[in-house]
Amino acid sequence: DADVTQTPRNRITKTGKRIMLECSQTKGHDRMYWYRQDPGLGLRLIYYSFDVKDINKGEISDGYSVSRQAQAKFSLSLESAIPNQTALYFCATSDTGLAGGYEQYFGPGTRLTVT
Amino acid sequence: EDQVTQSPEALRLQEGESSSLNCSYTVSGLRGLFWYRQDPGKGPEFLFTLYSAGEEKEKERLKATLTKKESFLHITAPKPEDSATYLCAVQAASGGSYIPTFGRGTSLIVHP
Repeated sequence: DADVTQTPRNRITKTGKRIMLECSQTKGHDRMYWYRQDPGLGLRLIYYSFDVKDINKGEISDGYSVSRQAQAKFSLSLESAIPNQTALYFCATSDTGLAGGYEQYFGPGTRLTVT
Repeated sequence: EDQVTQSPEALRLQEGESSSLNCSYTVSGLRGLFWYRQDPGKGPEFLFTLYSAGEEKEKERLKATLTKKESFLHITAPKPEDSATYLCAVQAASGGSYIPTFGRGTSLIVHP
């Protein structure tokens, strides 16, 4: 079974609709992240959470909100979807190593289309 | 501000033609430099972490090296299955949050 799962994998929605993307992990990591990826722009951080009570904005948080329901679950919501939120969305996790850097583990992605 | 620049943006190789991808970075104290592989429509897959200048790591046909200003991902005798986008990310030692900064990637296509 995959360590980081995302649902749904594909979603088409209309402008103005509220949608939620969900992420679950079995790696036991405290840190979770939401990114969006657009062609030519690379990965951009939306929100991140270092534990259940910690939520932080990334570089492009406007129009998005998140909820950390448990150590293993981190959801991303688009309150009122707009076409320029059409993108590939990734959830990631990482450990909290005290020494050195810690790599991230990514989910399979959600392809979101807003019409 | 931490910056990561990857070059080239795209690279086409013939099977067996060795080459290198570059990741240049500017960071206030390096905590770690990461390489990832990403197949089309899939999530990035972790390859290597490098911590200090002079360090090298290998995995099959891939070898990652690190200096104080850049990292190289050397691909020896590539095969078509090595075709993917390769992402580099750096994690700064300062700032406290340790959020990695990603480059935009190098798209590699290996022709049979």
